[in-house]
Amino acid sequence: TQLLEQSPQFLSIQEGENLTVYCNSSSVFSSLQWYRQEPGEGPVLLVTVVTGGEVKKLKRLTFQFGDARKDSSLHITAAQPGDTGLYLCAGGGLGSTLGRLYFGRGTQLTVWP
Amino acid sequence: NAGVTQTPKFRILKIGQSMTLQCTQDMNHNYMYWYRQDPGMGLKLIYYSVGAGITDKGEVPNGYNVSRSTTEDFPLRLELAAPSQTSVYFCASSYRQDSYLPSTNEKLFFGSGTQLSVL
Repeated sequence: TQLLEQSPQFLSIQEGENLTVYCNSSSVFSSLQWYRQEPGEGPVLLVTVVTGGEVKKLKRLTFQFGDARKDSSLHITAAQPGDTGLYLCAGGGLGSTLGRLYFGRGTQLTVWP
Repeated sequence: NAGVTQTPKFRILKIGQSMTLQCTQDMNHNYMYWYRQDPGMGLKLIYYSVGAGITDKGEVPNGYNVSRSTTEDFPLRLELAAPSQTSVYFCASSYRQDSYLPSTNEKLFFGSGTQLSVL
């Protein structure tokens, strides 16, 4: 059972386009993290959101945590080839399984020049 | 600053062989984790540790063992390797203050992974 569903699984766009990837669950999480992973490397944390309705911006990346803390989105404005990678969401603080992070399957983003 | 160091980077095992994946961190983090990543399946938690001497099972612990004798080291042991254990393994660490709930400032640091093939 996958607690966090990410969509789309694959996304291929041209440089300069905007995009949004989604992370959805039927469970409530205390926090939601987004990671970016490049080939041959481990994931690198981009952001952590902990408050329902929270919006965080990192340059061209905008992260939102749903009001009910069950879903999140990542929006990239004017995508660049350097944004290419696997984007993973991870939820923490779920019920009795405190201390664990549950990862989604990821969205593979490719940005073409 | 080395962060989280994993060795080896690549390994090929025959069915039934055993091996230990090494993981060490130099950030004095209390939490350490082992994940496996299969294509299209995301990261699955194998085992985690909240401090030296304390370990707990994750989602997919069968076929693996861990120990945490020091704060720095968290080795993962594979006994009787099987083809189903072919995967990329990641070790990670983080710091949490006396709480199981992650905070805005918590950051999970990952190693660069071990590509394991069992043939």
